[in-house]
This record gives sequence, C-alpha cells and structure tokens, in this order.
Amino acid sequence: GENVEQHPSTLSVQEGDSAVIKCTYSDSASNYFPWYKQELGKRPQLIIDIRSNVGEKKDQRIAVTLNKTAKHFSLHITETQPEDSAVYFCAARVSNYQLIWGAGTKLIIKP
Amino acid sequence: ETGVTQTPRHLVMGMTNKKSLKCEQHLGHNAMYWYKQSAKKPLELMFVYNFKEQTENNSVPSRFSPECPNSSHLFLHLHTLQPEDSALYLCASSQDLGQGGEKLFFGSGTQLSVL
Repeated sequence: GENVEQHPSTLSVQEGDSAVIKCTYSDSASNYFPWYKQELGKRPQLIIDIRSNVGEKKDQRIAVTLNKTAKHFSLHITETQPEDSAVYFCAARVSNYQLIWGAGTKLIIKP
Repeated sequence: ETGVTQTPRHLVMGMTNKKSLKCEQHLGHNAMYWYKQSAKKPLELMFVYNFKEQTENNSVPSRFSPECPNSSHLFLHLHTLQPEDSALYLCASSQDLGQGGEKLFFGSGTQLSVL
C-alpha cells in the first residue's frame, strides 16, 4: 500500500543553525504535500504545504522543496529558534481526503 | 471558542465500558475527520464525513462507531475497547475534500487509556 517514510526520527540542532527533514512517498499520483507542526501537548498545525506543480515554496524561515522524479520532499528551517522545538509530520495526499502521514520527526533546538 | 473543540481531554475506561468522544467545529467547514495518534507512529485516518455523510471507514473495528448529526458536530462512540486502543484521538475539520480546501484544523485531542 501507499506509505510515507520520514527521516530522521529525532533531530537535534544548535540554535541558529538550519534543520532539514526529509520524506519519501510511494504513490506517484500524489499531488499535495503538507507539513504539520505539533508542539508538546498541543494540536498539530499546518505550517506549509506544496502542490505537485511547484518545486519550492518559502514562508519566512520555512521552505519546502519537492522532487517529483525521486518522489521526495523536504522541510527546511533556517535560523532555528527555541520555539521551533516540536514534532514535525509530513504527509502526501493519495485521494480527495486521504493523507498518508510520516511517523514524525522530533526537532530539538539546543541553546 | 473558535476552531475545533474536543471533549473530554482525558478519558480512562475499562474494557466493558461505553463512552463517547465529542468534537465540535466553529469554522463553517463541510468535512470532519477522526484520526488516531499513537506514539512514534503515523497518524491513522479512521473516519471521514463530508456534509454529514460518511465517505470513508478506514477498516476500523466495529467497537468504534462514529456519528455526525450535522456538519458542526462529530462523535465517536466507544464500546468494549482493547488496551491497544489506548491513544490520542484527534478530530479535524477542513473546508471541504477537494483541492484548495484540504487544510486540516485539528482539535486538541482526547487522550484515551483503556484498562
């Protein structure tokens, strides 16, 4: 069946450095790829998304890149700050309502 | 309160109990979802409703029974659960199911423990 692999499961970076999280999907028909952030004890919230007709999208310190040929997409966070500490989930849409999710990456920002 | 509200926040139940989870969205959305979140595992889609009609039952055991009386309310009725059903149950809504309306707004979840 369809799946999304997310790496790494845990990422620890120094405050101010960049963080990169990668996801690989299996369904070549996937056309929408969101990223959600879940802080400890809180609800997941959409932080950025990208569609298959775009290769890159930026929003301030956050960017997402998509390589359709290789079927992978990545989240880039620059100039990391303590409030970036959270679990990040990637997903790929395989139908009108079905998102296949990655297992999550715990991002730790070291002061 | 705006957004998506879930009650209760925490629930402990025995395997023979019957309980219900409630979700309410104040966003005017047409689609609502139940997700199961277990530690270090991907989010699992359980049920999808669009305009009160169920569009997906993702091979969920019958001990989980959803109910959607209107586009703003969603319930998950639980009975004879198993310990492995212990998890965070998240409700979400989106404007609709199609492209452009798929952004999910999540509730804070119900942390369920089955003893």
